[in-house]
Amino acid sequence: EAQVTQNPRYLITVTGKKLTVTCSQNMNHEYMSWYRQDPGLGLRQIYYSMNVEVTDKGDVPEGYKVSRKEKRNFPLILESPSPNQTSLYFCASSLRTSGSSTGELFFGEGSRLTVL
Amino acid sequence: DAKTTQPPSMDCAEGRAANLPCNHSTISGNEYVYWYRQIHSQGPQYIIHGLKNNETNEMASLIITEDRKSSTLILPHATLRDTAVYYCIVRRLPSARQLTFGSGTQLTVLP
Repeated sequence: EAQVTQNPRYLITVTGKKLTVTCSQNMNHEYMSWYRQDPGLGLRQIYYSMNVEVTDKGDVPEGYKVSRKEKRNFPLILESPSPNQTSLYFCASSLRTSGSSTGELFFGEGSRLTVL
Repeated sequence: DAKTTQPPSMDCAEGRAANLPCNHSTISGNEYVYWYRQIHSQGPQYIIHGLKNNETNEMASLIITEDRKSSTLILPHATLRDTAVYYCIVRRLPSARQLTFGSGTQLTVLP
């Protein structure tokens, strides 16, 4: 089954304790990205990746890091989490957009992170 | 990518057609209109997209005005399970950057 898998789905942590949210897709997609969703602010892009070893900042990259060492994985790293990073996080992937692709984004189920 | 404007909320009676409007007056010629929906706090789900012609699939129809400055997503026979936030997004293809989502329209289907 084609899917984007995120882990953990729920996490409560404390300020300053490094954490990683993993994201894996089994569709051989080139593009992957991370979003955060906060009440009243919609979905905001954190980072995106066009392919292996190619990443770039989205709209709200501060406090986050990413890496893309393998095509299927795109982990989100919070080196020193703070309470303002409490949010619902989504990973998404898609094929490289072209005339033969819909450019459809496939989303994971979300990771709800609470930083105390 | 062009900005979009959607009403914050709409209601629709079960079994009736739900018509969700979207304004994208600054759209350019190579930008597509995409619709996604998000049920509760699940990951958003792709519905449909189009460039200038009307489109239909098993989920919905997309009507784009001739000047492409606005569009309407039509759910022909809304069910309670269609209650969700619906996002209209405009995007160039090919694009190196993923989509930016606004606040969307909360559609509530009433029994």
